[in-house]
Amino acid sequence: EDQVTQSPEALRLQEGESSSLNCSYTVSGLRGLFWYRQDPGKGPEFLFTLYSAGEEKEKERLKATLTKKESFLHITAPKPEDSATYLCAVLAYTGTASKLTFGTGTRLQVTL
Amino acid sequence: EAGVVQSPRYKIIEKKQPVAFWCNPISGHNTLYWYLQNLGQGPELLIRYENEEAVDDSQLPKDRFSAERLKGVDSTLKIQPAELGDSAVYLCASSKRTSGSADTQYFGPGTRLTVL
Repeated sequence: EDQVTQSPEALRLQEGESSSLNCSYTVSGLRGLFWYRQDPGKGPEFLFTLYSAGEEKEKERLKATLTKKESFLHITAPKPEDSATYLCAVLAYTGTASKLTFGTGTRLQVTL
Repeated sequence: EAGVVQSPRYKIIEKKQPVAFWCNPISGHNTLYWYLQNLGQGPELLIRYENEEAVDDSQLPKDRFSAERLKGVDSTLKIQPAELGDSAVYLCASSKRTSGSADTQYFGPGTRLTVL
C-alpha cells in the first residue's frame, strides 16, 4: 500500500529563519510527487510537481527537491504570509489507474 | 480562468437527514474527483470520474453515499442518511488529461459539513 509521511507535523519559524519540510514515501510506480499549500477554510492550492529523482522546482521563497525515497520543501527567508499547511501527495499506478495519496501535512507558522 | 466552484460552502444538518454537494470543475477538465478531508488529515479520494463515467468508486460508502456527473461537467455528491461521523470537509477537484505527464489536480474551496 502506498504510504506518505510528512514531518514535522508542525513547525514554527521566525520571519527570515529558513527551514525544510520533509515528505517520505513508499509507492510502486511513481508517476509524480505534488506539493500543495492549504490555508484554513480553503482547498489545497497547487505548488509543484516533481517527476524524477534529482529534479528541483522553485517558486519565490520555496524550492522542492526529490530523491527516490523523499522530497523536501525548502523555505528560504519565510514571511508571515507563508504560514499554512503544506501537503505532499504522490501519484502512483494502481494496476489500471493512478491514485493520488496525501500525507497529513506540515502546519507552518511564521512569526514576526 | 475560473477555478473549481463548490456549493454550499457550509452545511449544518441533523443526523439521518439527507445532504447534497455540488461541484463545477474548471472548463475543459474531463476528470473530476470528490475527496473527504478530516481535521488534521490529508484529503482521501471518494470517487473519480472520467467524463460521465465513474472509473474509481472503491472508497465510496455506497450504502449512504451516491454521486453523479450526468453531462460530464457538473457533479453532485449526496449523503442519505447522514451520520455524525460524516462531519468533514468535502473537496472537489478536477484535472485535464495530458499525455506523458502526471495530471495536476486543482481543488475547490470545499464544503464543510457538520452533522448534529
